[in-house]
Order: sequence, then structure tokens, then C-alpha cells
Amino acid sequence: DVKVTQSSRYLVKRTGEKVFLECVQDMDHENMFWYRQDPGLGLRLIYFSYDVKMKEKGDIPEGYSVSREKKERFSLILESASTNQTSMYLCASSSPSAGGPRDTQYFGPGTRLTVL
Amino acid sequence: GENVEQHPSTLSVQEGDSAVIKCTYSDSASNYFPWYKQELGKGPQLIIDIRSNVGEKKDQRIAVTLNKTAKHFSLHITETQPEDSAVYFCAAVNSGANSKLTFGKGITLSVRP
Repeated sequence: DVKVTQSSRYLVKRTGEKVFLECVQDMDHENMFWYRQDPGLGLRLIYFSYDVKMKEKGDIPEGYSVSREKKERFSLILESASTNQTSMYLCASSSPSAGGPRDTQYFGPGTRLTVL
Repeated sequence: GENVEQHPSTLSVQEGDSAVIKCTYSDSASNYFPWYKQELGKGPQLIIDIRSNVGEKKDQRIAVTLNKTAKHFSLHITETQPEDSAVYFCAAVNSGANSKLTFGKGITLSVRP
């Protein structure tokens, strides 16, 4: 089974802090994604990556950056956390070369971040 | 870009009844339509998907139908059970272009015992 893990389930930070959210997948997937989930807004894509050291902006990249130094790990960085970044953050991975459907995304359990 | 609409935002059914959740999409080039179920405290999990070369797909109590002409697709759950209570997301993508899914806003399904 595909496993996507996220470093924390719950996180509380203060405004202005630099925040790192880590995601690791164990299926050698090429593609990795970061979403935020807010009530009434569904899942919104922040950044994604198709390969190591590659990154592309999603629909709401402002205030975020990412890092992909290794294939299995994709980090989301909040350079200076603000209260409007309080949200649930979900990581996902997929692989165009795996045996299954190209676009099937597998999600981690999420990190609920609160910025005070 | 693609726009996926999902209505209504909540749905309540009696245990044993059927539930139908509908989504519409805007990009006629979209060709892959997955459905995800998110239980409380967990990430979304894929439950069924359909590609544009078929009109219907079934897996036990769940089925998905696709109408390419009208650009809508639906999730059907029969004989609902309390454990079906969750948030359901539909999504669409043109898999020939990229793997970036566009999600609907989600619907909260409640199954009353």
C-alpha cells in the first residue's frame, strides 16, 4: 500500500515564525503536491513537483515556498507565518509510471496548523 | 482552466437509502474523474474513478456515471450505512496535459441510523 506521511498532525505557531511542513512517501512516486483545505473552499493546490529539485506554482502559492531535495520528500515552507495561513495542509503523491492510474493521488493524514 | 462544481454542500439520507452526488466540469478535454472520501481526521482516500472512454463503473455498493456531452459525473452509493458518512470530493483532470487535479468543494454526506 502507498503510504504518505506528514511530520505533524497538529502544529501551533506564532505570527512571523518560519514554519516547515514535511511530507514523505514510500512508493517512489515522481509527483508530489501540497494542498490547503478550508471549510467551504475545498482543496486548493499550493505547489507541486514533478521531479527532484523541480517545483511549480499551484493556484495559491503566495506566502509559501517548497523544497524537493530527495524524491521521497516534499517540504512546504511558510517563510513568515500569518493568521490567514491557519488551515489544514494536505500532502499527496502520484506517479505516471506506476502500474495504476497515472493521475491517482494518494494523500497523507494532514497537518492542522494554527497560527496565533 | 478547469472548474469543477459540486452541489449541494450537504446531503442527509436514511440508512439503507441511496445517495447520489453530482459534479459538473467545464473543460471538455478533461478525461479522468476520481472520487475521494475523507473521513474525520483523515486525508482523502480514492474510492472510485472513471475515464472518459466509459460511461459507468461499479464497485460493490458504489458506482460512478459520466455524461461527457453534458459535462457532468455522479457518484451513486446504494444501501447506505453509517460508515458512509464523510466528506466526498469529485475531481477532474486532462491527464494528457498534466497530473494536476481540479477538485470540487466537497459534500458532507450524513447517513442517519
